[in-house]
Amino acid sequence: DAGVTQSPTHLIKTRGQQVTLRCSPKSGHDTVSWYQQALGQGPQFIFQYYEEEERQRGNFPDRFSGHQFPNYSSELNVNALLLGDSALYLCASSRPYRQPTDGYTFGSGTRLTVV
Amino acid sequence: GENVEQHPSTLSVQEGDSAVIKCTYSDSASNYFPWYKQELGKRPQLIIDIRSNVGEKKDQRIAVTLNKTAKHFSLHITETQPEDSAVYFCAASISGGIYGGSQGNLIFGKGTKLSVKP
Repeated sequence: DAGVTQSPTHLIKTRGQQVTLRCSPKSGHDTVSWYQQALGQGPQFIFQYYEEEERQRGNFPDRFSGHQFPNYSSELNVNALLLGDSALYLCASSRPYRQPTDGYTFGSGTRLTVV
Repeated sequence: GENVEQHPSTLSVQEGDSAVIKCTYSDSASNYFPWYKQELGKRPQLIIDIRSNVGEKKDQRIAVTLNKTAKHFSLHITETQPEDSAVYFCAASISGGIYGGSQGNLIFGKGTKLSVKP
């Protein structure tokens, strides 16, 4: 049973560019959340998707947007990249939305470096 | 919004000793409190969690306690081993809305770097 898979694992982008990160949730999970983890910090919530809609959003600018597909996979898009966007981007999936979660399963993340 | 404070930021213990990491939260509506272990360069992995209707939960050498009144919860690791060395994160969220479902986003503490010396 595959866990949460993310691609790519590493990415280097230039300031001002746009980037798309991808996530496939664990089998049986239908909710996908995205987190940004700066070096030496705890993960910070970006947004959560369920039924192809953004359900919750953290304190991130509109440059961060996302999408969820009918197969529950998800994309995170970041426009107009800033140096401060350099971080590990984690995707977490969880069980069906209308049930209290029994834990979020995290992917291994995408390490984004903006130069 | 919710805020989670975690202490200490670093913790060094001898193999076989116990380790305790403490977290406090601000939103009394939070009802789900997981703990994650993150080894260098790897993803966070859930090691134990507790819900607000339970005061303590144990899984082998790991235990978590919750004090709802004081809004704090703690991770206890007994008989520590070198492989316990990692960064540990606590988190809080609201799980379960008025329809019995929905999943709140996790608010994480800043982490505790645990070093277990052989």
